[in-house]
Amino acid sequence: SQTIHQWPATLVQPVGSPLSLECTVEGTSNPNLYWYRQAAGRGLQLLFYSVGIGQISSEVPQNLSASRPQDRQFILSSKKLLLSDSGFYLCAWSGGDDQPQHFGDGTRLSIL
Amino acid sequence: GNSVTQMEGPVTLSEEAFLTINCTYTATGYPSLFWYVQYPGEGLQLLLKATKADDKGSNKGFEATYRKETTSFHLEKGSVQVSDSAVYFCALSDRGGGFKTIFGAGTRLFVKA
Repeated sequence: SQTIHQWPATLVQPVGSPLSLECTVEGTSNPNLYWYRQAAGRGLQLLFYSVGIGQISSEVPQNLSASRPQDRQFILSSKKLLLSDSGFYLCAWSGGDDQPQHFGDGTRLSIL
Repeated sequence: GNSVTQMEGPVTLSEEAFLTINCTYTATGYPSLFWYVQYPGEGLQLLLKATKADDKGSNKGFEATYRKETTSFHLEKGSVQVSDSAVYFCALSDRGGGFKTIFGAGTRLFVKA
């Protein structure tokens, strides 16, 4: 069966520091991969999605970037974090463009 | 473009009450429809889905019917439990939607014992 791993679960970072969040999927090949951010008590904001290695689509211009160095690995990065980057970050995968998405457990990021 | 509108929360019910969370959608194609549930501090989990008109998705006592004529996919449960307290998201995914799933804003449900 397929599983998705996302880490770390919780992260506290100072303003201006770099960020790297990692997500890996097991048990499937060539998944569509997604990064979302969820502000407290709010809905989901799609940040990036990828349909293949090295293929990244950005939905929201900001100081975050994403990379897909391997088929089942998706990384969210920033060179300098802002206070507004705080939130709950969720990685997800799907098997096709009309298939359900499967989410990781999320990373709660707090910026001090 | 595609969009999903769901009823605002929070919804507060007593245990064993009947639940309805309304969801309507706008889509240019023939979307698949989903309900996801998010428990506190966790990611979203797929609750149920329907892929074509008149399909009924069901899971854990929850049901939703894909109504093309009213462009709706309302979530229902006959008797809620305290453990159903969570945030529920309606969503659609369309072959013409560019690999993206459109999520509603979420509806928070509180169930009191």
